[in-house]
Amino acid sequence: QKEVEQDPGPLSVPEGAIVSLNCTYSNSAFQYFMWYRQYSRKGPELLMYTYSSGNKEDGRFTAQVDKSSKYISLFIRDSQPSDSATYLCAIRHGTSYGKLTFGQGTILTVHP
Amino acid sequence: EAGVAQSPRYKIIEKRQSVAFWCNPISGHATLYWYQQILGQGPKLLIQFQNNGVVDDSQLPKDRFSAERLKGVDSTLKIQPAKLEDSAVYLCASSATGYEQYFGPGTRLTVT
Repeated sequence: QKEVEQDPGPLSVPEGAIVSLNCTYSNSAFQYFMWYRQYSRKGPELLMYTYSSGNKEDGRFTAQVDKSSKYISLFIRDSQPSDSATYLCAIRHGTSYGKLTFGQGTILTVHP
Repeated sequence: EAGVAQSPRYKIIEKRQSVAFWCNPISGHATLYWYQQILGQGPKLLIQFQNNGVVDDSQLPKDRFSAERLKGVDSTLKIQPAKLEDSAVYLCASSATGYEQYFGPGTRLTVT
């Protein structure tokens, strides 16, 4: 079993739709949760970062963490064509130098 | 603030040849990471440096891959000899806190 599982998609939605991206993880030692966005032929860009269960909002983006279910989500409201990218969840151990373990990424396309 | 710089951006080599990639992290970032991202997958950590010391190299194929970070600033990753399965994007990232990581644009390696 992979430590982090992410629905690979691809996901195709019309402009203005609400998008839900999800990951599950297996190791309860994971304590920090990130979402990265990666445009084609670019490096990943940090979108959201949280360490507690619950919701964290930043503009059109909401990150949700449920530690009891080992489930994390990223919601995008009012999706735009510029949101078209690969979204990667990344999870970190709680140790000082804990490495990031990434999901395989979900390819999102938002149609005008 | 300048981001993480990587060179070259693209490299094509034949199997059994050697190749080297260079990374210059964000100024002041003590932690430097090298990741391998195979097409359709999330990045996988190869090696993590804290200043010029190695923190984690558990997933580095040490029979062919080597990395160094002299003087705790820039870093090089070398592959010798390359195999077909080494075709991937090699991403460098840096962090000031060990939590939020900032990625460079990557080096796309094709081994023929």
